[in-house]
Formats: sequence, C-alpha cells, structure tokens
Amino acid sequence: DVKVTQSSRYLVKRTGEKVFLECVQDMDHENMFWYRQDPGLGLRLIYFSYDVKMKEKGDIPEGYSVSREKKERFSLILESASTNQTSMYLCASTGTAYGYTFGSGTRLTVV
Amino acid sequence: AQSVTQPDIHITVSEGASLELRCNYSYGATPYLFWYVQSPGQGLQLLLKYFSGDTLVQGIKGFEAEFKRSQSSFNLRKPSVHWSDAAEYFCAVGEASGGGADGLTFGKGTHLIIQP
Repeated sequence: DVKVTQSSRYLVKRTGEKVFLECVQDMDHENMFWYRQDPGLGLRLIYFSYDVKMKEKGDIPEGYSVSREKKERFSLILESASTNQTSMYLCASTGTAYGYTFGSGTRLTVV
Repeated sequence: AQSVTQPDIHITVSEGASLELRCNYSYGATPYLFWYVQSPGQGLQLLLKYFSGDTLVQGIKGFEAEFKRSQSSFNLRKPSVHWSDAAEYFCAVGEASGGGADGLTFGKGTHLIIQP
C-alpha cells in the first residue's frame, strides 16, 4: 500500500516561531498536496506540487510556503507561526487517475 | 470556481437504520466525485469515486452513491449502518482533465452519530 507519512502527530509551537511540517510518500507519486482541516470548514488546499522544485498556490496560501527538493518529500513551512494557524494539517499524494492517499495528519497548536 | 455543499453538519441514525448523506456540487465542466471517511484521529479514507459510466457507484464498507447530473448531486447511502460507521464524511470534487494534479475541493463534512 502507498504510504504517506507525516513526521509529527502533534506539535506545539510559540507565536513567531518558524515551523516545518514534513511529509514523505513512498510510491514515487508526482503530485503532493497540503491541506488544512478546521471544524465546520472541511479541508482547504494550501499548496500543491506536481514535480520537484515546482509549487502552486492553493486556496489559502497566505502565511505558508512549501519546499519540494526531492520527489518523495513535501514540506510545509510557517515562516512566523500565528495562533490562527492552529489547525490539523493533512498531506496527500497522487500519481495518476486520482489515486489520492492521505497522511494521518499533524495537529499543530500555536500558543 | 468549483464548490461542494454538504447541507447536513450532523446526522444521527440508529444502528441498523438506513443512511443517506447529501452532497451537491457546483462545477462548470465534467466533475470527478468522491466520498471520503475520516475516523477520529485518522487521515481520510476513500469510500468510493465516480468518473463516468454507471451513475450508481459501489464502494467499500457497504456504501454506495448515485450521481445525478440534473440535480448536481452525489448522495452517499448505506442500507444498514453499524456503530463503526460513526465518523466524519467528506464529499469532494475534482477536475476531470487534470488527473488530480490540481487537488480536490472538499465539502465541509457531515458528522455521523450512531445511536444504539
């Protein structure tokens, strides 16, 4: 089975810190995604990448950046964390034909 | 812009009863449609998907969904729910031509509660 691994299940960070959320997939998928999940808002797309060093903004990119130096790894970066970025973050990958696989999520709390 | 509406935030169903979760989409082109389930503390698991062909789609765990183009709907059904079906359910839409590279648009989710 395809695996998408998010390095942390829970993170607590302070306001203003630089935060890295890491995601690794093991099936050579071209496309990777970062979503944010909030109660009552569903999942919203932050950034996605269809190739190494390529990135595209999703629906809510403000306050975030991403890095994809290797095909299997897609990092989400909060340059200066704020309390309104407290959320569940989900990483996903897909090869072709919409074969999405999601990670288990990272619950980030910014205090 | 594409959008997905799940009108019911919460639904409570008795164990053994039938279930229908509603999903309406707004999309200008041919949509690809999905239902995902999320158990507490878990990622999303694909229940079923519709790309083309037969408008009644069978999925895992005994779920099915029917695509109705005239109503822009893709409702999820199960004839008899089990306590283990309690979870959050998400409907999603994607662009047919993109193959998934542009991501999915999700509804806000429906929280399913099962009464004993």
